[in-house]
Formats: sequence, C-alpha cells, structure tokens
Amino acid sequence: GAVVSQHPSRVICKSGTSVKIECRSLDFQATTMFWYRQFPKQSLMLMATSNEGSKATYEQGVEKDKFLINHASLTLSTLTVTSAHPEDSSFYICSASGKTKTNPSTDTQYFGPGTRLTVL
Amino acid sequence: GIQVEQSPPDLILQEGANSTLRCNFSDSVNNLQWFHQNPWGQLINLFYIPSGTKQNGRLSATTVATERYSLLYISSSQTTDSGVYFCAVEVGQGGKLIFGQGTELSVKP
Repeated sequence: GAVVSQHPSRVICKSGTSVKIECRSLDFQATTMFWYRQFPKQSLMLMATSNEGSKATYEQGVEKDKFLINHASLTLSTLTVTSAHPEDSSFYICSASGKTKTNPSTDTQYFGPGTRLTVL
Repeated sequence: GIQVEQSPPDLILQEGANSTLRCNFSDSVNNLQWFHQNPWGQLINLFYIPSGTKQNGRLSATTVATERYSLLYISSSQTTDSGVYFCAVEVGQGGKLIFGQGTELSVKP
C-alpha cells in the first residue's frame, strides 16, 4: 500500500521552543493532508486540513498561530508547534489523501506512523 | 456536528473467542472506515464500508447506513488483534474524518 512517513517519530523539547513535524507521501501525490492530535487513551481529533499551495483550514478551537501548517508540495506538509508548552505534549498524526497505484480512481487517505511530542 | 459513538469502550477476550464492536453515528455520512491502532500508534485501515458487508479473513464489517450504525466482527481472536479499534466517518467534501472514541481490545492467551 501507499506509504506516508513522519519525521521525527519522537521529540522532547523545552517549554517555549518551536518544533517542526514533517509529513511526506512517499509514493503518491497528496492533494490533501490532514493533521490529527491524540492524547493518551483518547481518540484522534482533527486539527486542520491542508491543501497544496493554499492556507490550511483549522478546526474550531485550534489556534492557527500556535500550530502553523505549510503544505509546500504535493508530497510534503509540515506542522510547526510554536512556543510549545507541556499541555501541547501529545501524539501528532498526519494523513495524506490522493490517488495511488492501488486505488487510481479515487482519493484514498493513508496515515503516517505519528510523532510523539513531549514538552518539558 | 456529527456524533460517533463506539461500544464497548473496553473488551477483554480469551484467545479464540469472537467479538462484535459497534459504531453508531448521528447523521448521514459519505463513507465509514474501521481502523486498528497498534501499540506503537500506527493506524491500519481495515475496511472502507459506507454500506453493505465486507470480509477480510477473520474480520468482517457491516454498515447499515439507513440505521446509522456499523459493526466490526472479529472471529477466532488472536493476541495480535489487541489494540484500539476506531471507526471514523467521512463528512462533507474533502475527506475529513471524524473518529469515534475507540474500543480497546485485549486478547489474552
């Protein structure tokens, strides 16, 4: 199946620093990428939807100045957590949607392995 | 917005047992997916199933769209089936997914 990677897989940072997380679709072009956040023992909450070359659409309650999203190409989206605080510690998961060799006729969504952020 | 409710929240099974997980949703959806999240956090898509029944090995799923629910059946469970099972519904344009709270399954040897 299609592959979506995230980097880094795990990051620990000090409070007040900014952290950038990359999401890449490795073998297909992703017209849309999604960013989710998952707290321990909880479900995935959609944070924002990003389309290549345009501004991201944020879900209600998600601060766009706090969570900067850049979708610079059809294979790369980045999420930057600015001035991170301990309450931002979470598991961040991206997904990429596009047409793949396996499913060439419809956009299919594939999930990355996640990035575990710990803010001290 | 749409509500997605899963039951039961937790389930403990003996290896070899069968189980049924349920997902109720409060409004019409474009699509419904079932995922398994492994202990490392990776989400694995099990089924795209907006309606009807599909089977894949020991797993099968049925969605009754008119009654707004979906069921995931796991037969002859194995310890490797342990993890969290999520259903997610696709709403609106663009593939946005709304996830249920999940069912945490533990299969004991």
